[in-house]
Order: sequence, then C-alpha cells, then structure tokens
Amino acid sequence: GESVGLHLPTLSVQEGDNSIINCAYSNSASDYFIWYKQESGKGPQFIIDIRSNMDKRQGQRVTVLLNKTVKHLSLQIAATQPGDSAVYFCAAADPYNFNKFYFGSGTKLNVKP
Amino acid sequence: EPEVTQTPSHQVTQMGQEVILRCVPISNHLYFYWYRQILGQKVEFLVSFYNNEISEKSEIFDDQFSVERPDGSNFTLKIRSTKLEDSAMYFCASRGSTNEKLFFGSGTQLSVL
Repeated sequence: GESVGLHLPTLSVQEGDNSIINCAYSNSASDYFIWYKQESGKGPQFIIDIRSNMDKRQGQRVTVLLNKTVKHLSLQIAATQPGDSAVYFCAAADPYNFNKFYFGSGTKLNVKP
Repeated sequence: EPEVTQTPSHQVTQMGQEVILRCVPISNHLYFYWYRQILGQKVEFLVSFYNNEISEKSEIFDDQFSVERPDGSNFTLKIRSTKLEDSAMYFCASRGSTNEKLFFGSGTQLSVL
C-alpha cells in the first residue's frame, strides 16, 4: 500500500510571495503523483502531476519537485494570489494497483492581501 | 474543458433509507471511481469500475454499497440502508486510461440524520 502525509495543516503567506507545500509518501515504488486544489464545498481540482522518472515539472505558476531519495514532493506556487487560497493535497498512485490513489490530509493555504 | 458532473450537490436522508448518488463521467473516459471525504479527513477510496464491473473496492465498500453504469453516460453509487457514519462528501472521478490523470466531480454532500 501507501501512506501519504502533509507536513503542515495550515500555511499563511502574503499575496505575491511564493508558497511551498510539502508532502511525504511511504512506498519507494510509488511512481505517479498528483497535486490537487480543493476549494470549500468543491471537488479536488487537478493542478499538476509528475512521474517518478522526473525530478521537476512546471506548469503555469506552479512547480512540483520530486525527491525519490527521501520520498518527498513539494508544490511551489509562484506569486501567490488570493484565488490560490484553498486546501492543497497530494495523491500517490498505488504502484501495484493502478485503480487506487492515496491522499494526504491537506494543507490549507491562506493568502493574506 | 470536459468535467465530471455529480447530482445532487446535497442530499439529506433519514437513517435506514436508500440513497442514489449520480455521476456523469467525462465522455471518453473508461475508468470510474467513487471516493468519499468525511469532514476534516482525507479523501478515501471506495470503489473502481471498468468494463462494466467492479475492479477494486475498499473495506468501506460493504454490502450496503453498490455501483452501476445503467447506460453509456451515468455512473451511480447506491447506499441501500444509510447509517449515520455514511455522512460525508462523495466524489465521483474518472480517467481515460491507467496512465492518465484522475478528474473529480464537485461532490455530493450526504447528510444522514
């Protein structure tokens, strides 16, 4: 199986600053990860994914870093905006069962104007 | 952008009653899922469905739960006799292939009284 955890339940940043949200996983065989954003009362919204053959992947204002040695991934949001306020969580695909994803508990990002 | 749609957004029911949660996955997707999230907790896997049959289910998905794809577009989750602890947000998700990202609907908030 897999166990996914996030390091901080809450993160407060100033508008315009960069945000870094961290996630750890337990199974070194895990090879596919997704970051989701969840706004209040809504479903998880796909942000960015990464496979284990990569260390870094960039999207629009977001970057995901994967460190397989320590089984850690992070989501970096550049120039954080008020609209980025949400709960962010990572999900790891079960390496032995493509039907399952394991989710972290989420970091609530508060963006202060 | 195509999206997974779920109805209703909120469902209130009495303990012991049957409920059916409905989902329309993204049209060309082949893999369908139900997840749930109890308030303040992680998103949990319930069941996966492919080729008109259940491919995987968790220990949460007991005999009170069933899924069905009654036609080419809908995917339903039925809880036969609801319990108080079934109160949660239920998310439907779909993906095109096992290598593709998982897309979620906006959820159905189920409240069992």
